[in-house]
Amino acid sequence: DVKVTQSSRYLVKRTGEKVFLECVQDMDHENMFWYRQDPGLGLRLIYFSYDVKMKEKGDIPEGYSVSREKKERFSLILESASTNQTSMYLCASSLSPKWVYEQYFGPGTRLTVT
Amino acid sequence: RKEVEQDPGPFNVPEGATVAFNCTYSNSASQSFFWYRQDCRKEPKLLMSVYSSGNEDGRFTAQLNRASQYISLLIRDSKLSDSATYLCVVNGYNNNDMRFGAGTRLTVKP
Repeated sequence: DVKVTQSSRYLVKRTGEKVFLECVQDMDHENMFWYRQDPGLGLRLIYFSYDVKMKEKGDIPEGYSVSREKKERFSLILESASTNQTSMYLCASSLSPKWVYEQYFGPGTRLTVT
Repeated sequence: RKEVEQDPGPFNVPEGATVAFNCTYSNSASQSFFWYRQDCRKEPKLLMSVYSSGNEDGRFTAQLNRASQYISLLIRDSKLSDSATYLCVVNGYNNNDMRFGAGTRLTVKP
């Protein structure tokens, strides 16, 4: 059974803080993704990675960066948190960069920036 | 225009009812299509892929209409446990081309 875990379910941070969201998957998946989910907007891709140390921008990368030093771990960094980054953050992984496979999601981190 | 559009609902139906959702997409080059289910305060999970010829999984039927650029999900004999938000997902050629709809909320009532 694929398991994707995220470091926190709920997080409250202040404006200007640097925020780290961690994601770990245990199925040796090549691809990992970070999305944010907001009401009425659906999931929007922030960044994804198809290999260690590789990253690609998604649709809304501004204000975010990522790190993938190990295959199983993909971190999302908010360099200087702002209130418009209050959202649900979902990490996902999938099997191969070559074909489009099912994505497995973590439980999400609800981030509030005050 | 959004790339993937869904009726947000909510759809409130009695147990045993048949309910159908549509999802339209704007990119005619889209290659693969999925329905995901998301329970309240939970992560999305794959419900089913949508194949060109249409496919069925128990009470669930998915259809693709490329000419009109929409996919549909039909749920027969609704159960209380079907209450969830159903996300339409449309993909281009690459993994970073996945586009999610905002979801359609279904509530099945006794």
